[in-house]
Amino acid sequence: GESVGLHLPTLSVQEGDNSIINCAYSNSASDYFIWYKQESGKGPQFIIDIRSNMDKRQGQRVTVLLNKTVKHLSLQIAATQPGDSAVYFCAEIVRNEKLTFGTGTRLTIIP
Amino acid sequence: EAGVVQSPRYKIIEKKQPVAFWCNPISGHNTLYWYRQNLGQGPELLIRYENEEAVDDSQLPKDRFSAERLKGVDSTLKIQPAELGDSAVYLCASSMFTDTQYFGPGTRLTVL
Repeated sequence: GESVGLHLPTLSVQEGDNSIINCAYSNSASDYFIWYKQESGKGPQFIIDIRSNMDKRQGQRVTVLLNKTVKHLSLQIAATQPGDSAVYFCAEIVRNEKLTFGTGTRLTIIP
Repeated sequence: EAGVVQSPRYKIIEKKQPVAFWCNPISGHNTLYWYRQNLGQGPELLIRYENEEAVDDSQLPKDRFSAERLKGVDSTLKIQPAELGDSAVYLCASSMFTDTQYFGPGTRLTVL
């Protein structure tokens, strides 16, 4: 079965607020994690990645946190905008092998 | 820089008919992937190429699915014959070796 899963299938956030999307994984050998954003009718778009030797990585308005103790990954989006509405997937790679995606969380930004 | 190009974007066929999808990866990317994405789920890998060699086709249903990447650039994924359960979005992605994968827009297949 899938080793990567998401806690919530949907999330609604007020525009301007911060969003936090969570992801759990079960394979302790996972060494690379990626967050993808997928808008309707489009392919997944790379947002940010993190390797297992890191706890935190920041990009533009996005931060990924990795807690290896509890096998938990989160994506924080600051000051959400309408364009942030999409489905967000976490994905993992184990030892440079195939990318495994979770089910996804649909983020809706409320104006 | 152009992204991954896929065609067609949409395809509707009747069951038992053949169908083919085409992918042109990002220039210079030696690794090409085909994924299938069912509604509400994440993409699942069907096959991975490194140049023209299929290095992982363990998830490809070989009784009806085939793929090729003859010159190590463009790739074609074929289904023959299509079944109702094949309705999904077929995504192509490319990368430099095992670096970040970049996805195309996908082909939405509907089998009637």
